[in-house]
Amino acid sequence: TQLLEQSPQFLSIQEGENLTVYCNSSSVFSSLQWYRQEPGEGPVLLVTVVTGGEVKKLKRLTFQFGDARKDSSLHITAAQPGDTGLYLCAAPSGGYNKLIFGAGTRLAVHP
Amino acid sequence: EAQVTQNPRYLITVTGKKLTVTCSQNMNHEYMSWYRQDPGLGLRQIYYSMNVEVTDKGDVPEGYKVSRKEKRNFPLILESPSPNQTSLYFCASSARPNYEQYFGPGTRLTVT
Repeated sequence: TQLLEQSPQFLSIQEGENLTVYCNSSSVFSSLQWYRQEPGEGPVLLVTVVTGGEVKKLKRLTFQFGDARKDSSLHITAAQPGDTGLYLCAAPSGGYNKLIFGAGTRLAVHP
Repeated sequence: EAQVTQNPRYLITVTGKKLTVTCSQNMNHEYMSWYRQDPGLGLRQIYYSMNVEVTDKGDVPEGYKVSRKEKRNFPLILESPSPNQTSLYFCASSARPNYEQYFGPGTRLTVT
């Protein structure tokens, strides 16, 4: 069974701090997606990484796909309260539209 | 506005009373899915579909049914709900397989 493990589960930081969250698996994936979910809403895609070693930047967010395509990280620089939310990673798991999700990292950024 | 809509947003029901959660998308997407979200377990896929009349089981299909009679609609049916189906449910659509998922706002279901 393919699994995506995210760490840490919870993270509470002050505005301006840097942080990194991780998404790990023992399986190799063709691609990996990162979503952010805010309370009362559905997840929204942040980025998709496809190539091993790939780095993508979205303003203060930096996403990296591991060289072996088994893991990924999300680094946030100078976190702001607007970054608060649940960060989820997801990857294809066989089938034409079968995705698995990690359990998520819940981030709280305090002013 | 491109969107996925779900109804109802909140539902409290009793064990065994059949219910349907509707899902509709206006983006002409071929691929649609249902997920449930539980604390500590993340999102788990219930069913997915690649087009009209084509549906497949996800990781947790027991106790659920779906139908895809029209491209835009993908209702989730619980014929005999049980308390362990209390959860937050999301419908999603995508333009390509395993591509960006557009999620609805969620339906919070409580079965007593």
